[in-house]
Amino acid sequence: QKEVEQDPGPLSVPEGAIVSLNCTYSNSAFQYFMWYRQYSRKGPELLMYTYSSGNKEDGRFTAQVDKSSKYISLFIRDSQPSDSATYLCAMNLPSGNTPLVFGKGTRLSVIA
Amino acid sequence: DTGVSQNPRHKITKRGQNVTFRCDPISEHNRLYWYRQTLGQGPEFLTYFQNEAQLEKSRLLSDRFSAERPKGSFSTLEIQRTEQGDSAMYLCASSFKGNWANEKLFFGSGTQLSVL
Repeated sequence: QKEVEQDPGPLSVPEGAIVSLNCTYSNSAFQYFMWYRQYSRKGPELLMYTYSSGNKEDGRFTAQVDKSSKYISLFIRDSQPSDSATYLCAMNLPSGNTPLVFGKGTRLSVIA
Repeated sequence: DTGVSQNPRHKITKRGQNVTFRCDPISEHNRLYWYRQTLGQGPEFLTYFQNEAQLEKSRLLSDRFSAERPKGSFSTLEIQRTEQGDSAMYLCASSFKGNWANEKLFFGSGTQLSVL
């Protein structure tokens, strides 16, 4: 079992839809959770950063962490064609002295 | 602050040749990471530096790979005797790590290596 599991998609939605992206993980010690967005032929760009359980909202994006279920989610409201990208979840241990562990990424297409 | 810069953007080489990539991190960042990413996969950790010290290397990193960060500024990643399996996007990221545990990584656009 990989440490971080993420459905690779592809996921195709119409413009304006609510998108839900998810990751599960096996290591209960993970405390820091991130979502990165990666456009084609570009490096990943940090989108959301959360610590432990709970929700965090930033504009159209909401990140949720459920540590009891080892499950994290990213919601995108009013999705736009410019949101078409690969979304990577990443997580880290409390010490911050170990490298980030990434999921495989989910490829999202928002159709106008 | 112009972000993390990686050169070259693309490299095509023949099997058995040596290649070297360069990464210039965000200037005030003390940590620098190298990751490798293949199509349909997330980035895989290779190695990282804090200032000029190389603190960790992945077991994925064979003896043919070497990284340096002289004077804690830019970093180079060299691959000797390249193999077709080395074809991938090589990503560099930097961060500022202080006494607190949290850390945010900022990535460059990567170097796409193709080994023929």
